[in-house]
Amino acid sequence: IVLTQSPATLSLSPGERATLSCRASQSVSNFLAWYQQKPGQAPRLLIHDASNRATGIPARFSGSGSGTDFTLTISSLAPEDSAVYYCQQRSNWPVTLTFGGGTKVVI
Amino acid sequence: QLQLQESGPGLVKPSETLSLTCAVSGDSISKTGYYWGWIRQPPGKGLEWIGSRYYSGSTYYNPSLKSRVTISLDTSKNQFSVRLNLRSVTAADTAVYYCARTAGVVFFDYWGQGTLVTVSS
Repeated sequence: IVLTQSPATLSLSPGERATLSCRASQSVSNFLAWYQQKPGQAPRLLIHDASNRATGIPARFSGSGSGTDFTLTISSLAPEDSAVYYCQQRSNWPVTLTFGGGTKVVI
Repeated sequence: QLQLQESGPGLVKPSETLSLTCAVSGDSISKTGYYWGWIRQPPGKGLEWIGSRYYSGSTYYNPSLKSRVTISLDTSKNQFSVRLNLRSVTAADTAVYYCARTAGVVFFDYWGQGTLVTVSS
């Protein structure tokens, strides 16, 4: 299963709303997670199971979707949200975990 | 607080075996429902899952790497670690290697800081 993220780059101002897309080549049910990666750091889990915020993640981050189309929304951008965002899915037969190519958010 | 720390050689020669260790502290590696594994990221590129292993022995590998990879867990003396062996490396294996806990082989909830491994003669 291939995950396609769009856009590749998103340039917005503080306080604006960011909408990131992740499309799967086949249905992944709700086995979809989102990560944030800042330069020189490991990725950080934001959202799991398509819409569940991970522990300690601010409420401005939300996930939605199921099947093949998923969205990560940042409701009001903060300067520290500048990062690359990756989606990731789990597929069966064989069990495989794959990542999308990433969306860079520039604030 | 769970912490993961990768260690190993920063330089490996082509055709040799890349070996890394991830020290796990703050929780048990035998915790029900959690796998332990590795992800890598070539410089300037995206993320690639390598594989994940459960304490009982159940293991899943990326099909594209399966023939060259072994992941093992060590729970001796109450010190927990996750080991990665990647055989017959080439320059294409140059990457930052991350150790991560996998919740039910679905998503990665804890990550190490990563370690850069360069394959070069």
